[in-house]
Amino acid sequence: DTEVTQTPKHLVMGMTNKKSLKCEQHMGHRAMYWYKQKAKKPPELMFVYSYEKLSINESVPSRFSPECPNSSLLNLHLHALQPEDSALYLCASSQEGLGNTEAFFGQGTRLTVV
Amino acid sequence: GESVGLHLPTLSVQEGDNSIINCAYSNSASDYFIWYKQESGKGPQFIIDIRSNMDKRQGQRVTVLLNKTVKHLSLQIAATQPGDSAVYFCAETDNYGQNFVFGPGTRLSVLP
Repeated sequence: DTEVTQTPKHLVMGMTNKKSLKCEQHMGHRAMYWYKQKAKKPPELMFVYSYEKLSINESVPSRFSPECPNSSLLNLHLHALQPEDSALYLCASSQEGLGNTEAFFGQGTRLTVV
Repeated sequence: GESVGLHLPTLSVQEGDNSIINCAYSNSASDYFIWYKQESGKGPQFIIDIRSNMDKRQGQRVTVLLNKTVKHLSLQIAATQPGDSAVYFCAETDNYGQNFVFGPGTRLSVLP
């Protein structure tokens, strides 16, 4: 199994809503990542979890709250988002840090904030 | 030919020709490089990687070249096929392996 599974595939939410994005992998990877990708732009790193601990937060606003319940799951909790937060949110995982092996990406969640 | 659009450079090639996609990286401490392919509506897909102690690596129909002197990476695709049409990103990371940075991307368009 070399898949990273993200749910939901699409999400529309209002600015006062609370929602969560979910990511799951069963490759035994101990590093998991959240990226944000705007149209026609490269993915931008948001958060890195290493061995279930947050190791990098790229100055992401607190309306985005990551959570790693166990080594296979990664969540991104969303609250009070703005329309400019609309983007494709990608989850990835790798064996250790990205310097050692490639990262496997999920298909992303297309988020629209209205 | 290659053109630079408002946001994303585009490379157009004839089916069957070879494609060369270029990438300049900025961090001389970068140790590991990956080429990803991203099709519309999908997540990035691994194509090939190379470490800084190598200057060339070959896969099936793809070759990555690394020139550390000028901090340049290229992806060569042999006998380009319609299924190769996508956006291609280079990505770099340093020895610590957690600051993983993507290049701006190049859209490859294969003409029949």
